[in-house]
Order: sequence, then C-alpha cells, then structure tokens
Amino acid sequence: DTGVSQNPRHKITKRGQNVTFRCDPISEHNRLYWYRQTLGQGPEFLTYFQNEAQLEKSRLLSDRFSAERPKGSFSTLEIQRTEQGDSAMYLCASSPKGGPIGNEQFFGPGTRLTVL
Amino acid sequence: QKEVEQNSGPLSVPEGAIASLNCTYSDRGSQSFFWYRQYSGKSPELIMSIYSNGDKEDGRFTAQLNKASQYVSLLIRDSQPSDSATYLCAVNMDTGNQFYFGTGTSLTVIP
Repeated sequence: DTGVSQNPRHKITKRGQNVTFRCDPISEHNRLYWYRQTLGQGPEFLTYFQNEAQLEKSRLLSDRFSAERPKGSFSTLEIQRTEQGDSAMYLCASSPKGGPIGNEQFFGPGTRLTVL
Repeated sequence: QKEVEQNSGPLSVPEGAIASLNCTYSDRGSQSFFWYRQYSGKSPELIMSIYSNGDKEDGRFTAQLNKASQYVSLLIRDSQPSDSATYLCAVNMDTGNQFYFGTGTSLTVIP
C-alpha cells in the first residue's frame, strides 16, 4: 500500500496524559499537513511541513500541540496534557512538490482520539 | 464570515439524477479549489481539483469555478447510491499554505 498511513488508528487516553501520533506520507511527497476534524465539521488546518521545515501553524494551535518531521519523511504530532476538547479525528495529508498539482492533498485514514 | 461556506444539507436526489453541490469562499485571491468525498467514519478522498475559471469534467463529475463570484460547484451526473457521502469543498487561500475546508454537504442518493 503506497498511500498515507497513520498510527495508531484509535487512541483512548485519560485527561492530562500525553499522546503522540505518527504519519507516514506517500513516498517522495515533500509536503505534509496535519488537520483535526470533529463531528459535523470539515478538517481544520493545524500545521504544514515542507520537507523537514515546519512552515505554517494555525493561530488556533495551542502550545500543548507540537509537531515534528525530523528527516523530511514521517511526522509526529504530540498533544501534551490532553483535554476532553481534544477528542477528535486527527488527519494527516501529503502532497507532491511543485506547481498547482502539488497542492492536491491525499489523506491518511486518521487517528481517532478519545480523551476520557 | 467563514472562509469557506457550504450548505450542510442534507441533499437528497433520486438515482440517476444530477446532484448539484455549491461552495462559496471569502478570499478573492484564492487560487486552488478542491472537492473531497468523505464516507461516514472514513477520511476525505480527493475527487477533483480546479484552478481556472470554467468547467472541468472527470467522468460523472464536473467542477465549475467562477472566481468573480467566488463560487465553486460540483455536479454529479447519473447519481448512484454509492455517491451517498459528505462532500467537502477546500480552498487554498492566497495568503499561504493553509487550506480551508467547508463543513461539507451531506448527499443521499435514493435508489
């Protein structure tokens, strides 16, 4: 399977715990995005990487959230001191470099987080 | 005003009919526009992208873009029950790398 993969697919945690999610983009896609989606809403942009550089972060992104893409390949999203409001589907997407086609994003299956 | 707005529906059409989904956006400088399909419990799946004014056809799907009116639409011809899903409109604003999604329109195709 050469699509975007995400792990874990489901995560249940208690309030106050830290969680980390992993995303493996499509091979050779240099752009990687993280989104959060809650029921009845569209995906909400969190952050964007081009290669290993984090070029953009949502103004709404709490300082409890941090993302890395250390070697320009896989990425991790960490949420510290989770809150019940963090319960959502966390989606990763990647797109190839260059031109308008480079903007087409392909999503992974998502990680569903439940904070008790 | 939200960056991208869609009628949440639900929209119901009979099998074989044309489904018309609409989206408006706020940033006049937006350059890239996308339609995604999302089945319940699944992640969004790219259907079409459009970058220039006019129509773009791909199989049963036609995307229409009118930048002057800040309006993009998706037509689904010969709708099938398998088209029943939520359709998300996404826009890449001119201000950077952020993509804004609408809340989606729920479509039901009735056999």
